[in-house]
Amino acid sequence: DIVLTQSPATLSLSPGERATLSCRASHSISNHLAWFQQRPGLAPRLLIYDASHRATGIPARFSGSGSGTDFTLTISSLEPEDFAVYYCQQRGNWPLTFGGGTKVEIK
Amino acid sequence: QVQMEESGGGMAKPGGSLRLSCVVSGFALSDYSMSWVRQAPGKGLEWISYLSSSGGAIYHAASVKGRFTISRDNAKNSLFLQMDNLRVEDTAVYFCARDYGGDSWYPEFWGQGTLVAVAS
Repeated sequence: DIVLTQSPATLSLSPGERATLSCRASHSISNHLAWFQQRPGLAPRLLIYDASHRATGIPARFSGSGSGTDFTLTISSLEPEDFAVYYCQQRGNWPLTFGGGTKVEIK
Repeated sequence: QVQMEESGGGMAKPGGSLRLSCVVSGFALSDYSMSWVRQAPGKGLEWISYLSSSGGAIYHAASVKGRFTISRDNAKNSLFLQMDNLRVEDTAVYFCARDYGGDSWYPEFWGQGTLVAVAS
């Protein structure tokens, strides 16, 4: 199975700051990676697919990059609603797997 | 407008069974791959079952293989998850999810989830 390792586990930032989240795959997955946001009590929300493509309706402050084994989600300027948990997910191989998550919390 | 609503969750004893349903509207099940994803209390996401748009490809995670079965009824706009021989570690919120753009293996639309609690 492909293991996705997300870092850091927790990111403490203030509104308006830039957030940089990392996801590392145990084997190369080309660009077959997505990012999700999950707010408390809600279902996950697809943000980015194929490493760098924003899903429908996702604001431009969210961007993704990377290929192979190293991927990054960047939130250029944090809005209050962006404080949440973020997961990466790979579709390079079955079983499809998620990373353990990064919590972005208010500093 | 895409809508998805799960039902069928609840309490079960170890070794018992439950059948989850996900009723969808705003699209045809035959046009999109569908999945079940679960989240144990306070934990991360785990992909457990996948059914392709054609119905020809079905995958189950090792943790549920042989115990859970994904299926659908296109006429009833419904996706199902038959859960047999339940274990305490199956306790989680179960989400049904629809792929982005057909068979992308990226879940775009999600239901609100239904809670399954397995305890003796």
